[in-house]
Amino acid sequence: EDQVTQSPEALRLQEGESSSLNCSYTVSGLRGLFWYRQDPGKGPEFLFTLYSAGEEKEKERLKATLTKKESFLHITAPKPEDSATYLCAVQAGDTGRRALTFGSGTRLQVQP
Amino acid sequence: EAQVTQNPRYLITVTGKKLTVTCSQNMNHEYMSWYRQDPGLGLRQIYYSMNVEVTDKGDVPEGYKVSRKEKRNFPLILESPSPNQTSLYFCASRVTGTDTQYFGPGTRLTVL
Repeated sequence: EDQVTQSPEALRLQEGESSSLNCSYTVSGLRGLFWYRQDPGKGPEFLFTLYSAGEEKEKERLKATLTKKESFLHITAPKPEDSATYLCAVQAGDTGRRALTFGSGTRLQVQP
Repeated sequence: EAQVTQNPRYLITVTGKKLTVTCSQNMNHEYMSWYRQDPGLGLRQIYYSMNVEVTDKGDVPEGYKVSRKEKRNFPLILESPSPNQTSLYFCASRVTGTDTQYFGPGTRLTVL
């Protein structure tokens, strides 16, 4: 059974204080690992897809990296508008139906 | 504007009273799916559809039905709702073979 564990559950940062969110996964044949951002009262918003160990992707202050067992979402010099819940999900390559398995998320709060 | 819409956004109902949550997308996506989001459990897939008239069960299909008669619409039907179906529901869509999944704004359902 595919599993995704995100840590920490919640993180409070000061504006400009860089940090990382962790996503540990077990999956039978990883096809892709996804990061989403979810604001309160809204649906998840797609950020990145990573396909293989060693891959990195960047978008503004966010950088996602992938190893064979985990992914990190690095947040550099965060701003209050980066406050949100960040979700990690994996997709197995051998299921035939390609459903996503999500973690419970990390709630990030960036204080000015 | 490309979007996924859901209606209603909020619904309070009683046990056993049939209800339908509608989902519509204007991006001509083949793939559509329904998720429920519960605290500590993350997003879990209920049903998905690869195209018109093609639907299949996700991870938690019990108590739900879906239909896909038109490409743009994918309604979620609860024939006899129970309190354990109280949850936040999201519809999502994407082009088959791509990774970017677009989520709707969510429907908060309470079953008394």
